[in-house]
Amino acid sequence: EAQVTQNPRYLITVTGKKLTVTCSQNMNHEYMSWYRQDPGLGLRQIYYSMNVEVTDKGDVPEGYKVSRKEKRNFPLILESPSPNQTSLYFCASSLRPSGTQETQYFGPGTRLLVL
Amino acid sequence: AQSVTQLDSHVSVSEGTPVLLRCNYSSSYSPSLFWYVQHPNKGLQLLLKYTSAATLVKGINGFEAEFKKSETSFHLTKPSAHMSDAAEYFCGTFTSGTYKYIFGTGTRLKVLA
Repeated sequence: EAQVTQNPRYLITVTGKKLTVTCSQNMNHEYMSWYRQDPGLGLRQIYYSMNVEVTDKGDVPEGYKVSRKEKRNFPLILESPSPNQTSLYFCASSLRPSGTQETQYFGPGTRLLVL
Repeated sequence: AQSVTQLDSHVSVSEGTPVLLRCNYSSSYSPSLFWYVQHPNKGLQLLLKYTSAATLVKGINGFEAEFKKSETSFHLTKPSAHMSDAAEYFCGTFTSGTYKYIFGTGTRLKVLA
């Protein structure tokens, strides 16, 4: 089954404790992306990757890191989480970064609470 | 810079009545537009996308949207709401120059029995 998976689905942590949220897709997609969803703000893109070893900042990259060492995986790293990073996070992928020529497939989301 | 504005944060309709969710865009050239739906505690699912082939775009579950360049709008409509349509809807655009996706702030649709 074609899908985007994220782990963990729920995470409670404390300020400053490094964490990684994994994202994996099995569709051989080139383009992958991370979003955060906050009430009243919609979805905002954190980072995206055009392909292996090619990443770039979205609109809200501060406090986050990503890497793309393999085509299928795109982990999101919070080196020193802070309470303002409490949010719902989504990973997404598409075959190519071609806007409406390609459909983005979203993972189920990771709900993060930073105390 | 490209952007989208969803004009209503909440919309309530009665079951069986039409749905209208409004989205305006800002773009200096031909935009790339789409609508996604998010059901409670679920990820996002593509409803429809504007590919410039036709101004009236048909999507899944009876939804459609009309691209109106003169009004810079891409409103989502459905002739008859169903209880299962209750969800949050996001309008969005893709900036081909920077390869970024931009989403609106969302419209929560409530369907009353």
